[in-house]
Amino acid sequence: EAQVTQNPRYLITVTGKKLTVTCSQNMNHEYMSWYRQDPGLGLRQIYYSMNVEVTDKGDVPEGYKVSRKEKRNFPLILESPSPNQTSLYFCASTDDQTGKGEQYFGPGTRLTVT
Amino acid sequence: AQSVTQPDIHITVSEGASLELRCNYSYGATPYLFWYVQSPGQGLQLLLKYFSGDTLVQGIKGFEAEFKRSQSSFNLRKPSVHWSDAAEYFCAVGAGGGADGLTFGKGTHLIIQP
Repeated sequence: EAQVTQNPRYLITVTGKKLTVTCSQNMNHEYMSWYRQDPGLGLRQIYYSMNVEVTDKGDVPEGYKVSRKEKRNFPLILESPSPNQTSLYFCASTDDQTGKGEQYFGPGTRLTVT
Repeated sequence: AQSVTQPDIHITVSEGASLELRCNYSYGATPYLFWYVQSPGQGLQLLLKYFSGDTLVQGIKGFEAEFKRSQSSFNLRKPSVHWSDAAEYFCAVGAGGGADGLTFGKGTHLIIQP
C-alpha cells in the first residue's frame, strides 16, 4: 500500500530539547515536503526536497532543519524547540510522475513544546 | 508567487442542503488545483483535483468542483450534505513539477446542522 508514515504521532517536549520527527514514503517519489498547520493559518510549507541531498526552504523555515540522505526518508529536526513551534506537522510526498504536484500526506505529528 | 483565498472561515449548512465552498487562486500560469478535507483529529484526504481538460471535476464522497479561469475560482460543491461531511476543507494550488509543494488556503470549517 502506498503511504507516507510519520513518527511519532504525538510528542510533548520541553523548550530547548532537540527532537526529530521522521517521515518515510514507499512510493519512490523524489519530491518531499514538510508543512505545519496552525488554526486560522492553514498549512504552511517549512522545507522541501527535490531529491537526495537537495533541500530548500519553504515559507516558514526558521527554527527547523531537514536532511535527505535517502530517497524514502525526510526527517524534520528541531534543534532547540520553542513554544511557538507547537503545531500539527505533516510530511508529504509528491507524485513526480504526473509533474502536477499531487501530494500524498502522512497522518500528522502533533507537537507540544512547553 | 501563487496564493489561495478561501473567503469563508466558517460555513453552517443544514443536513440535506446543498453546499458550495469558495476558493480563489492567484497564479500566473496554468494552475493545478486541489481540494482536501480534514476530519477532526485526522490527516488530509484528497477530495478531487484539476489538472486540465473538463472544467467540472468529480471527486470522492459526492463532491465536485468547477474551474473557472475567468474568475480564478475553483469552488467545491455538493448537492446534499451529510452530517459526516462536517470537517475542515482546504483548497490548494500547485505550481507544477511538484518540487515546490502546494500553497494552501486557510481553510473553511464546515458545520452541519441537524
